[in-house]
Amino acid sequence: QKEVEQNSGPLSVPEGAIASLNCTYSDRGSQSFFWYRQYSGKSPELIMFIYSNGDKEDGRFTAQLNKASQYVSLLIRDSQPSDSATYLCAVSRAGGYNKLIFGAGTRLAVHP
Amino acid sequence: KAGVTQTPRYLIKTRGQQVTLSCSPISGHRSVSWYQQTPGQGLQFLFEYFSETQRNKGNFPGRFSGRQFSNSRSEMNVSTLELGDSALYLCASTFGVASYEQYFGPGTRLTVT
Repeated sequence: QKEVEQNSGPLSVPEGAIASLNCTYSDRGSQSFFWYRQYSGKSPELIMFIYSNGDKEDGRFTAQLNKASQYVSLLIRDSQPSDSATYLCAVSRAGGYNKLIFGAGTRLAVHP
Repeated sequence: KAGVTQTPRYLIKTRGQQVTLSCSPISGHRSVSWYQQTPGQGLQFLFEYFSETQRNKGNFPGRFSGRQFSNSRSEMNVSTLELGDSALYLCASTFGVASYEQYFGPGTRLTVT
């Protein structure tokens, strides 16, 4: 079992719809959770981070964390073609300093 | 505030050679982490430096090494290059001691022939 699992996709959604991206992690000692967006040929860009159970909203993005279920998700409202990218979930563990463990990423395609 | 910078952006080397990559973190950030990204393995952690000390190391052979200078700039070195070392090498900068947000540089694309 991989430490951080994501559905590789592609997840295809129409423009204006809500895109829902999911991530599960295996280590209960995980304490910080990050979502990165990576366009083809570019480096990952941090778009959301969440440390506590519940929801965190930033513009069109909402991160949701459920530590009991070891599950973190990212919702993108009003999806735009420019949101088409690979979304990487990353986790850091207690005692791991700044080491991030990444999932393989979910490819999102937003079509007009 | 300037972002993370990495040099060079592209490198072509031959098997057996060695290479040094450089990373300058965001001003005020004291932690620098290095990652390797390949299509097959995804993003994998190489090592992390904080205040010139290596605090964490991933599962890579000893051919991969790094260091951090007093101004927080970091270098990583790969000796005796193998074809499988072809990858995008990413440096990430963090302000805090642990589990804080990391910001990536543009990466160095290394091709080993």
